[in-house]
Amino acid sequence: AQRVTQPEKLLSVFKGAPVELKCNYSYSGSPELFWYVQYSRQRLQLLLRHISRESIKGFTADLNKGETSFHLKKPFAQEEDSAMYYCAGGYAGNNRKLIWGLGTSLAVNP
Amino acid sequence: GAGVSQSPRYKVAKRGQDVALRCDPISGHVSLFWYQQALGQGPEFLTYFQNEAQLDKSGLPSDRFFAERPEGSVSTLKIQRTQQEDSAVYLCASSLALIRGYTFGSGTRLTVV
Repeated sequence: AQRVTQPEKLLSVFKGAPVELKCNYSYSGSPELFWYVQYSRQRLQLLLRHISRESIKGFTADLNKGETSFHLKKPFAQEEDSAMYYCAGGYAGNNRKLIWGLGTSLAVNP
Repeated sequence: GAGVSQSPRYKVAKRGQDVALRCDPISGHVSLFWYQQALGQGPEFLTYFQNEAQLDKSGLPSDRFFAERPEGSVSTLKIQRTQQEDSAVYLCASSLALIRGYTFGSGTRLTVV
């Protein structure tokens, strides 16, 4: 079954520390993978797409097909990074729905 | 419009009442999705439209849930005879293509009392 797993419900780091939010997927073939972020009292918004290999707000995510992972990383966390982060995956076919992880709440402490 | 607009933001319904939740997607976005998000959970897929066609409704939890998008733009999610377990945030998202990701609305928080 298609599944996206975020093993950590809560991650707490100090400002300036590196941060890695884990995401593993169980898909066959080549899924599209995304990271979404939800800041307090704001809507879910797209952070990163694996296809674009971009860096947004200092975050990067590399698709590792061997480990079926798509971990989100940032070398130096900032307090404004505190938010809920969701990993999601899907196929760009007729069935375009995304399968979501349960989310990781990131708290960056001063 | 500039973003995905959902209304109402909050809805309190008495058990057994029917509710209708509205989603106004970004103009030109052919794909529209409804998700349900319970407290402390990730979004769960409900249904998907491409233009006016409902291509996937496999996530609708029961026949009390019904969604439509008659003209390929605004969509309505209707829940009949609401139950307490229907209490959740209902998210609408639209997209040009999956590869570009979704744009979400603010959601409607439904509380059934």
